[in-house]
Amino acid sequence: GAGVSQSPSNKVTEKGKDVELRCDPISGHTALYWYRQSLGQGLEFLIYFQGNSAPDKSGLPSDRFSAERTGGSVSTLTIQRTQQEDSAVYLCASRFLAGGRNEQFFGPGTRLTVL
Amino acid sequence: GIQVEQSPPDLILQEGANSTLRCNFSDSVNNLQWFHQNPWGQLINLFYIPSGTKQNGRLSATTVATERYSLLYISSSQTTDSGVYFCAVSSGTYKYIFGTGTRLKVLA
Repeated sequence: GAGVSQSPSNKVTEKGKDVELRCDPISGHTALYWYRQSLGQGLEFLIYFQGNSAPDKSGLPSDRFSAERTGGSVSTLTIQRTQQEDSAVYLCASRFLAGGRNEQFFGPGTRLTVL
Repeated sequence: GIQVEQSPPDLILQEGANSTLRCNFSDSVNNLQWFHQNPWGQLINLFYIPSGTKQNGRLSATTVATERYSLLYISSSQTTDSGVYFCAVSSGTYKYIFGTGTRLKVLA
């Protein structure tokens, strides 16, 4: 596609339920990031995928959070047993890397509300 | 790790005014991006500018890597310029560090 897409755009769930968020990166971009943005705050790094390398999961806040990337393309971020503090916008970015240029492009985000 | 500070944190302008936003970083970087987050939350790429000066319409940016800062200039501001402006840097790795942003409101 022309840009990074994410689904759903909004998700409201009850505390304790599991949620799955999807990111479809720009075709040909081998790197993919997940970030979290709480209301009025900056971006918090969650996880990074690059090709077939082991992902950098250092930003995941707890073991309730996991992510996978299938076939080097689509990625899903799963949050188990959601808590109210998980409420935030979850942003995905894919990266263009060529000729030393390292540039991220963001999707529209998924707004998660945990009641 | 690298620290990124943006100033001012908040800015209110009358339509037509010019402004300068600043991004300071604590260590040398080899990648720097400026983004505009619009009121709907979409992050829009403005500039990829690890060094030098670029211009795109009413916006321009300058990064002085040796002095560890970057500036974003907005001229003849419009209400559609409202939102949050972020700079993000990385140094030899894939991990970008984001500043806390400058929240801009342009009044008609």
